[in-house]
Amino acid sequence: TQLLEQSPQFLSIQEGENLTVYCNSSSVFSSLQWYRQEPGEGPVLLVTVVTGGEVKKLKRLTFQFGDARKDSSLHITAAQPGDTGLYLCAGAISGTYKYIFGTGTRLKVLA
Amino acid sequence: GAGVSQSPRYKVAKRGQDVALRCDPISGHVSLFWYQQALGQGPEFLTYFQNEAQLDKSGLPSDRFFAERPEGSVSTLKIQRTQQEDSAVYLCASSPLALGDYGYTFGSGTRLTVV
Repeated sequence: TQLLEQSPQFLSIQEGENLTVYCNSSSVFSSLQWYRQEPGEGPVLLVTVVTGGEVKKLKRLTFQFGDARKDSSLHITAAQPGDTGLYLCAGAISGTYKYIFGTGTRLKVLA
Repeated sequence: GAGVSQSPRYKVAKRGQDVALRCDPISGHVSLFWYQQALGQGPEFLTYFQNEAQLDKSGLPSDRFFAERPEGSVSTLKIQRTQQEDSAVYLCASSPLALGDYGYTFGSGTRLTVV
């Protein structure tokens, strides 16, 4: 059972466009992570956010953790074909060791 | 090793056959996780080890699934009497910490197809 809902589920855009992916839950998380997964590979960690309201930037990617630590967003500026992949958010329940993964957003950036 | 290594990369099993999937975590990592990922979905938690102790097996779908990590390093996920619904990618991840606040390193996974 997935506790984290991601939207949109699929996204196909042209190179150079901007996009935002959302990750929402009714649960509070002690931290939240974003991963990118390419076909045939395991997810690769992009960022971890810990504090409510926190914003982190990784080149053209901007990640935000909601004030109540229940939701997060990933914004990509000027998308490139190399950004193509499955984007996954994952939240850790406070005091536990495991991450619950979201339903995923499959992004395709066309050249 | 430098990363998490899983073997085999691909496994085709006939329905009813037993399979064993291996995970070699990053050396010294305390925590080891198994996840199951269906096509087009996010990974779903199966089980968690802290060193050799299996602290949580709540995600294992049935008693046909069994995992072990006897010496606190390499782990094996065993599936007995495989069924078609077991077809998925099985991902192993490890972390240097006991609590999950700082992310996992995943292996490339084993794609299991039951025919």
